[in-house]
Amino acid sequence: GAVVSQHPSWVICKSGTSVKIECRSLDFQATTMFWYRQFPKQSLMLMATSNEGSKATYEQGVEKDKFLINHASLTLSTLTVTSAHPEDSSFYICSAGTVGFNEKLFFGSGTQLSVL
Amino acid sequence: QKEVEQDPGPLSVPEGAIVSLNCTYSNSAFQYFMWYRQYSRKGPELLMYTYSSGNKEDGRFTAQVDKSSKYISLFIRDSQPSDSATYLCGVRGSQGNLIFGKGTKLSVKP
Repeated sequence: GAVVSQHPSWVICKSGTSVKIECRSLDFQATTMFWYRQFPKQSLMLMATSNEGSKATYEQGVEKDKFLINHASLTLSTLTVTSAHPEDSSFYICSAGTVGFNEKLFFGSGTQLSVL
Repeated sequence: QKEVEQDPGPLSVPEGAIVSLNCTYSNSAFQYFMWYRQYSRKGPELLMYTYSSGNKEDGRFTAQVDKSSKYISLFIRDSQPSDSATYLCGVRGSQGNLIFGKGTKLSVKP
């Protein structure tokens, strides 16, 4: 299957700081990338959908000014958690696919964010 | 009603047993159905992918989709302790995103 690389896998930061998470599709061009958040013992909840070269579409209840998404190229999307607070501590996972040609989505390995 | 319903378990079986995992969904327009396996604190791994109704087999895994009853299943034959994980069913939404069930935690005892 296709490879999606997510970095970092683990980050600890102080409250009020910003954290950037990168998601790269290594062997295919991803026109669409999705960002999910997963709390312990919960399923993955979609936060936003990003299409290369356009603004991300956020799910209801997700603050777009807090969770900044950039999808500047067909192989890279970034999620920046701005002014992080302890309640933002969660497992963040990206997924990527080429909608229309290959309907499969592949996931990154996830980033565990802990805000102190 | 949630778009995808899945019994969270946990489900515990002895090694070698046949495992049956199931989900129901509400929107008859869904066409793409997936099963993912997720180990603790890891990203989900695509196991099976099915388009429309029917069966698909891959080794010890069989995925079934019954669109008439909006029911999807994953069967694992000769289950192994290494199969212990959380299994997520997913359907592809109209925007291309995946809508997941809650996940079923499976434990295969040696």
